[in-house]
Amino acid sequence: GQNIDQPTEMTATEGAIVQINCTYQTSGFNGLFWYQQHAGEAPTFLSYNVLDGLEEKGRFSSFLSRSKGYSYLLLKELQMKDSASYLCAVRDAPNTDKLIFGTGTRLQVFP
Amino acid sequence: AAGVIQSPRHLIKEKRETATLKCYPIPRHDTVYWYQQGPGQDPQFLISFYEKMQSDKGSIPDRFSAQQFSDYHSELNMSSLELGDSALYFCASSYYVQGGEQYFGPGTRLTVT
Repeated sequence: GQNIDQPTEMTATEGAIVQINCTYQTSGFNGLFWYQQHAGEAPTFLSYNVLDGLEEKGRFSSFLSRSKGYSYLLLKELQMKDSASYLCAVRDAPNTDKLIFGTGTRLQVFP
Repeated sequence: AAGVIQSPRHLIKEKRETATLKCYPIPRHDTVYWYQQGPGQDPQFLISFYEKMQSDKGSIPDRFSAQQFSDYHSELNMSSLELGDSALYFCASSYYVQGGEQYFGPGTRLTVT
């Protein structure tokens, strides 16, 4: 079966760094995506990893290890507006479009 | 930059009624995806279209159907609505050649009473 695991909730302080982990067990793998979602709003694309290593985009970085079925999203210099759910999603085959989402990690940033 | 447009944003229907949700992808995007997200749940893939042809199918009930038109907009038709169909319905679009990152629309909140 398909399984994507993330911590349910995390808290952090404004200005700090937080790492959100995602482990996956899927029948195949063709890319891992991170999305940010504020309550009641659409998921917003953050990053995409298909090869092992680190992808950096401003305050956000995402890491992938395909052999370990593991990814993390690193958020630096946290701001209050970063309080949201962070969704890890996997595309499990080259010839499929669908994303399999994890249940998301709700991050709360405190002043 | 232009984003995915969905209409309506909110829809209230009664059980056994029908509903039609519309999605207008980002210009030049050729692939459209539909997701259903229940309260406190992760988005569940329903169906996708590439160049007006169905390209993948997920957990879409037989009561639902969808299509993509020549202008690339898509419609999700839902019949015999049930209370459990109440959810946020997101449409996403992508440009296949660019790696397939999916950009989500604001969603349609469907409430079935």
